Amino acid sequence: SQKIEQNSEALNIQEGKTATLTCNYTNYSPAYLQWYRQDPGRGPVFLLLIRENEKEKRKERLKVTFDTTLKQSLFHITASQPADSATYLCALDRSGNTGKLIFGQGTTLQVKP
Amino acid sequence: ETGVTQTPRHLVMGMTNKKSLKCEQHLGHNAMYWYKQSAKKPLELMFVYNFKEQTENNSVPSRFSPECPNSSHLFLHLHTLQPEDSALYLCASSLLTSGDTGELFFGEGSRLTVL
Repeated sequence: SQKIEQNSEALNIQEGKTATLTCNYTNYSPAYLQWYRQDPGRGPVFLLLIRENEKEKRKERLKVTFDTTLKQSLFHITASQPADSATYLCALDRSGNTGKLIFGQGTTLQVKP
Repeated sequence: ETGVTQTPRHLVMGMTNKKSLKCEQHLGHNAMYWYKQSAKKPLELMFVYNFKEQTENNSVPSRFSPECPNSSHLFLHLHTLQPEDSALYLCASSLLTSGDTGELFFGEGSRLTVL
């Protein structure tokens, strides 16, 4: 069956450190993978997209990698801040470029001052 | 402000009630979505509309009835719901064109409680 898996346990790190979140998938061949941030009681907000032919994408303190052989994406936040505390969701298009995104369950990040 | 507005933000209803959730997008997008988010579960795709045409019904029970009168408005009509339908219902929109990425813009959600 098709699955998207993220670490279900919360990730606690100290301010200033790099947070690394993992997204693994099985039985998909996505053309791209997306990452979203969700704060409690709010809708998800798009952060980054990485395509299958891209190894790495950066945006300010964020970096995403995509390994289609391992079927894995890593999401990094460098120089983390307490304001980065949130749940981070990965998502991929279920079939090509239809916009029908399937989401992982999310990993909650807590950055302590 | 994401450009996607959902109302009401909170709704409590009994199992015999009929209510509707409303979503409006001001982004000029051509696709709209309903997702369900239950506690400890991933977002579940429910319905997709592309240019007002429904292109996805992800095995959703008939007690949920979507309506998309135009590409800016989306409704979710609710009737005879069950307590397990209590969840956060999220509306999203995107611009789907040939070669586009399908990035979603979400509303803040409607928190539904079924008693």
